[in-house]
Amino acid sequence: DGGITQSPKYLFRKEGQNVTLSCEQNLNHDAMYWYRQDPGQGLRLIYYSQIVNDFQKGDIAEGYSVSREKKESFPLTVTSAQKNPTAFYLCASSMLGIQTTQYFGPGTRLTVL
Amino acid sequence: DQQVKQNSPSLSVQEGRISILNCDYTNSMFDYFLWYKKYPAEGPTFLISISSIKDKNEDGRFTVFLNKSAKHLSLHIVPSQPGDSAVYFCAASVGGTSYGKLTFGQGTILTVHP
Repeated sequence: DGGITQSPKYLFRKEGQNVTLSCEQNLNHDAMYWYRQDPGQGLRLIYYSQIVNDFQKGDIAEGYSVSREKKESFPLTVTSAQKNPTAFYLCASSMLGIQTTQYFGPGTRLTVL
Repeated sequence: DQQVKQNSPSLSVQEGRISILNCDYTNSMFDYFLWYKKYPAEGPTFLISISSIKDKNEDGRFTVFLNKSAKHLSLHIVPSQPGDSAVYFCAASVGGTSYGKLTFGQGTILTVHP
């Protein structure tokens, strides 16, 4: 089955610790994205990548880092510099090209204690 | 600066009736619009999209209308079913990009009562 997987579903971390969220896709999509959702708000773009070993900052990149060593994988690290890390994190992927549709994974709920 | 706005936080509809979800945008460079449905603690599911060269797109019970002059789009669900109860997000992308960077609205919670 083709799709996007994110793990774990729920993650708890102590304040001051870095944490890495996993995102894998087997849709053969070139582009991948990370979004954050907070209660009552829409999705906000953190980072995106069009190609292996290349990525760009989105609207709220501060306190986050990413890597894209493989086409299928786009892990997100939430660093201790992120002031409000508790949120629901969503990974998406799409084909390259204009007017393409993004498909989302199930999300990871991160709670920082 | 909220470029995509869903001004109704919630909508309640009776089963079998029409649900109309609205979305306004300010960036005239947007040329592709999408609607997603989202259940709590799950990822959004793509529903339907529309290009700016069209004013209507239909897929089963879902129809999206685009009014470019008013910078307004709407999603019609007919007939509404209890399983349609979810949060609905509209999203838009700017033409000419090769990766479809999306800007999302805040979402509208739809509740369909049996």
